Amino acid sequence: NAGVTQTPKFQVLKTGQSMTLQCAQDMNHNSMYWYRQDPGMGLRLIYYSASEGTTDKGEVPNGYNVSRLNKREFSLRLESAAPSQTSVYFCASSDAGGYGYTFGSGTRLTVV
Amino acid sequence: KNQVEQSPQSLIILEGKNCTLQCNYTVSPFSNLRWYKQDTGRGPVSLTIMTFSENTKSNGRYTATLDADTKQSSLHITASQLSDSASYICVVRVRSGGSYIPTFGRGTSLIVHP
Repeated sequence: NAGVTQTPKFQVLKTGQSMTLQCAQDMNHNSMYWYRQDPGMGLRLIYYSASEGTTDKGEVPNGYNVSRLNKREFSLRLESAAPSQTSVYFCASSDAGGYGYTFGSGTRLTVV
Repeated sequence: KNQVEQSPQSLIILEGKNCTLQCNYTVSPFSNLRWYKQDTGRGPVSLTIMTFSENTKSNGRYTATLDADTKQSSLHITASQLSDSASYICVVRVRSGGSYIPTFGRGTSLIVHP
């Protein structure tokens, strides 16, 4: 019953450092998503992968890259972290029809 | 302008009281509408999901309604409990090309006081 698992849960980076946020789902979902959530802004879509082998930009893709490693895993990479990327990041997955939409527990990232 | 507007932005009620949260959307074509509850520091958890043909859906003390003609939805919470304190997010799923893309409201922050 793991659902969507994100790692790490917390991370502090220095400006310019790089890191990869990991996400894995065990529900055999086709679609996976990465969001960021900032105070007063709600959840904003960074990138999504409608199916294995495809990725598309969302609302706020600048400064990020993604990899759909296989059907289970979808990673988010920050190549050169900036303070503006301080946020809480959520991974989510869903089936093809948009049902069974499930979120991970989030990664709190601080860039100093 | 956000395509999914929620109101009020925040709400404080006493334990045991009822409340209603609103969601108005402009996105189309519409696939489904969900209400999520997000506790502080946690990921959102789905409460209800409705397609355009459904008018109401209940989940315990939570009842969601949908009027696809006026593009309005509401979430009614009955006999509130302290554990209902959370952010409630309305999400409308829109078909874009070959994919379904969710559009999120900014949420209503609900505080239930004893």
